[in-house]
Amino acid sequence: AQSVTQPDIHITVSEGASLELRCNYSYGATPYLFWYVQSPGQGLQLLLKYFSGDTLVQGIKGFEAEFKRSQSSFNLRKPSVHWSDAAEYFCAVGPSGGYNKLIFGAGTRLAVHP
Amino acid sequence: NAGVTQTPKFQVLKTGQSMTLQCAQDMNHNSMYWYRQDPGMGLRLIYYSASEGTTDKGEVPNGYNVSRLNKREFSLRLESAAPSQTSVYFCASSDQGISGNTIYFGEGSWLTVV
Repeated sequence: AQSVTQPDIHITVSEGASLELRCNYSYGATPYLFWYVQSPGQGLQLLLKYFSGDTLVQGIKGFEAEFKRSQSSFNLRKPSVHWSDAAEYFCAVGPSGGYNKLIFGAGTRLAVHP
Repeated sequence: NAGVTQTPKFQVLKTGQSMTLQCAQDMNHNSMYWYRQDPGMGLRLIYYSASEGTTDKGEVPNGYNVSRLNKREFSLRLESAAPSQTSVYFCASSDQGISGNTIYFGEGSWLTVV
């Protein structure tokens, strides 16, 4: 079955510390991979996406993610977290055909301590 | 730019009542979607419309109906609300196909059924 697993429900980091959010997927075909961020009371905003090519993808707000096919992972990283990064982060996987087949993980809620 | 606009933002319903969530997009997108978001479950697709005049069921369509009124508008109706439909609802839009396109989300509608 196709699925996305985000093993960490909650993560707390100190401002200025590095961050890694984990995402593992199970998908039959070559996946399209996404990370979205949801600030409180807001809709989802695309951070970055991977379709093909370089497995290290740069996104907005200083985030990056690395696609590792052998590990079925697409972990999100940021070298230095800012207080404004506190939000919920969703990993998603889908086929090229359309967003109607997009599968979301359960999300990781990030808290940032000053 | 308004993007994807949904109304109302908050609603409390009694069990058995009906209501319609409205969604409009101003990006001339062909495809529109309704998702629900529940704690620990990420986003799940309720219905989508690949283009004006078409609608299809998503992962969790039971208890909902949709109408693609025109290219801009896609409404979600709860005919007889149940407590299990307490959730946050997101409308989204995109052009068809994932490659080269981005899905845009509205800010969400918080629905409580008592």
